[in-house]
Amino acid sequence: LAKTTQPISMDSYEGQEVNITCSHNNIATNDYITWYQQFPSQGPRFIIQGYKTKVTNEVASLFIPADRKSSTLSLPRVSLSDTAVYYCLVGDYRNNAGNMLTFGGGTRLMVKP
Amino acid sequence: DAGVTQSPTHLIKTRGQQVTLRCSPKSGHDTVSWYQQALGQGPQFIFQYYEEEERQRGNFPDRFSGHQFPNYSSELNVNALLLGDSALYLCASSSGSNTEAFFGQGTRLTVV
Repeated sequence: LAKTTQPISMDSYEGQEVNITCSHNNIATNDYITWYQQFPSQGPRFIIQGYKTKVTNEVASLFIPADRKSSTLSLPRVSLSDTAVYYCLVGDYRNNAGNMLTFGGGTRLMVKP
Repeated sequence: DAGVTQSPTHLIKTRGQQVTLRCSPKSGHDTVSWYQQALGQGPQFIFQYYEEEERQRGNFPDRFSGHQFPNYSSELNVNALLLGDSALYLCASSSGSNTEAFFGQGTRLTVV
């Protein structure tokens, strides 16, 4: 599975847009990019998944350039409740739903008032 | 829909003891995966059960074993507990038609 690299931590303020970039230089043709959010003492929660270009849902947007060697999770107008750890995962998850998710260290986002 | 439920929420055990953790998957899900999350780290895959059989396994010793029941619920058993087994144990459920894994709130195991 492709290894991912993302910043260890980020700080932001309420109302700002937050962009978290993940590098995955060895991504394979069949790999998808998935982001999970985890609050303290809770299990991770699926945020968004994409293969190329841009994906948007009610929570976030995911931008994937043409070479797919990186991706950016964009959280619009964050609030204090968005303080969490965000994980970027890469793998052929689409064909194996929930299959052996490989988590890295994640990015700890702190949203300040 | 109750989502994924795990029990107990917290547990304290002594080194050398055995522990059993339980998981009920989200309604309609037939696949259960278990993860271990040490403090400050991302979850690590232990194994996955589908149709009552272990389908995939991560890099964990044989002290970690599991079971899936006909109703898709699952148990994680850990024998001969070590201090290093202290962690948050997460259960995730999914189904073949869904690319999203749903996690429970986890069981916090402390080995003393």
